[in-house]
Amino acid sequence: GQNIDQPTEMTATEGAIVQINCTYQTSGFNGLFWYQQHAGEAPTFLSYNVLDGLEEKGRFSSFLSRSKGYSYLLLKELQMTDSASYLCAGMDSNYQLIWGAGTKLIIKP
Amino acid sequence: GAVVSQHPSWVICKSGTSVKIECRSLDFQATTMFWYRQFPKQSLMLMATSNEGSKATYEQGVEKDKFLINHASLTLSTLTVTSAHPEDSSFYICSARDNRDTEAFFGQGTRLTVV
Repeated sequence: GQNIDQPTEMTATEGAIVQINCTYQTSGFNGLFWYQQHAGEAPTFLSYNVLDGLEEKGRFSSFLSRSKGYSYLLLKELQMTDSASYLCAGMDSNYQLIWGAGTKLIIKP
Repeated sequence: GAVVSQHPSWVICKSGTSVKIECRSLDFQATTMFWYRQFPKQSLMLMATSNEGSKATYEQGVEKDKFLINHASLTLSTLTVTSAHPEDSSFYICSARDNRDTEAFFGQGTRLTVV
């Protein structure tokens, strides 16, 4: 079966760094997406990885290891506004997105 | 990024009535649109996938006669919740993409409350 696993909740301190992990099992693989979703709002796109390695985009970076079925989202210099849910989604061979349940990130001062 | 506009943002309706939600891609042609439902503190649940000009493909457990989806053009898809009941109250979100291997852009979401 297809499955995306990510932690339910994480807590971090303002100004610090946090890494949100995601493991995936999909039928075929056409990339791994990370989305940010603030409460009551639609998700917004953060990153897309299809090749192994680290993609850096400002304070956010995303890493992919296809051999391990593993990805992480790294957030640096955390701000209070980074408090949100972070959704990991794998794209299968039919180009369908398989969604994780999301990781609620709580930032404390 | 591309813009997907969803309307209305919120709606309150009486039990038994129908509600239509629109999803428009403003600056690209959306060959595929997705409709999701999200209950509080839960992740997105895919309801159906629609391709322009063809019938929507519904996920298991989603009643196609209750949730009518029309993807009549490359820039517009609609979801109609027919004979709404309080248990249909949820956050409905559409997303659209133009190619198979590109990101999906999300609409703002519609919060439906059935009273």
